[in-house]
Amino acid sequence: DTGVSQDPRHKITKRGQNVTFRCDPISEHNRLYWYRQTLGQGPEFLTYFQNEAQLEKSRLLSDRFSAERPKGSFSTLEIQRTEQGDSAMYLCASSLALGRTSSYGYTFGSGTRLTVV
Amino acid sequence: DQQVKQNSPSLSVQEGRISILNCDYTNSMFDYFLWYKKYPAEGPTFLISISSIKDKNEDGRFTVFLNKSAKHLSLHIVPSQPGDSAVYFCAGRGSNYKLTFGKGTLLTVNP
Repeated sequence: DTGVSQDPRHKITKRGQNVTFRCDPISEHNRLYWYRQTLGQGPEFLTYFQNEAQLEKSRLLSDRFSAERPKGSFSTLEIQRTEQGDSAMYLCASSLALGRTSSYGYTFGSGTRLTVV
Repeated sequence: DQQVKQNSPSLSVQEGRISILNCDYTNSMFDYFLWYKKYPAEGPTFLISISSIKDKNEDGRFTVFLNKSAKHLSLHIVPSQPGDSAVYFCAGRGSNYKLTFGKGTLLTVNP
């Protein structure tokens, strides 16, 4: 297992179309996060899962966005009726649910760059 | 509400000299602060962290200093190398291990 994998790396879609991204975390990691990064900004939290349970969603995650993590393994992020403002890098990260005293940082994937035209 | 601020969009230093990247935060509930490094077309990679109850953490060429009263932290890289050229993000860790990132600082180390 070489890290967090994201697919596809790049996606160009027409406005109004639906897109789905996949993330395969490090196998022993039970926490999985989705972040979005736009130009000139740092990554912004979207949602996170502990095993298969989605435990928190950001206000950034509108009704057009849905994320799943069936069986606590890979995760998908779907955007329905894409808009030009959805163009961004979508980053997935995973980690172990260690104690609060752990400084362990996430491991990020390389991201999926979405361009909505 | 920008809870983590990196006020310098870019920094340029000579190889072998010290690089100092700065970060300010407003959220007193962060329990850890982390620095990530990002190359173009790659995801951020974890570099170093510091607990909110510490004031210094060192790992090789990288040292992070935390001034809790000023709500300020800095990353020192000594000596700087051309391979250190990247965007550096400061992040605070809050509830559910959620990270809040600054906008990043582009470091360029010139040979």
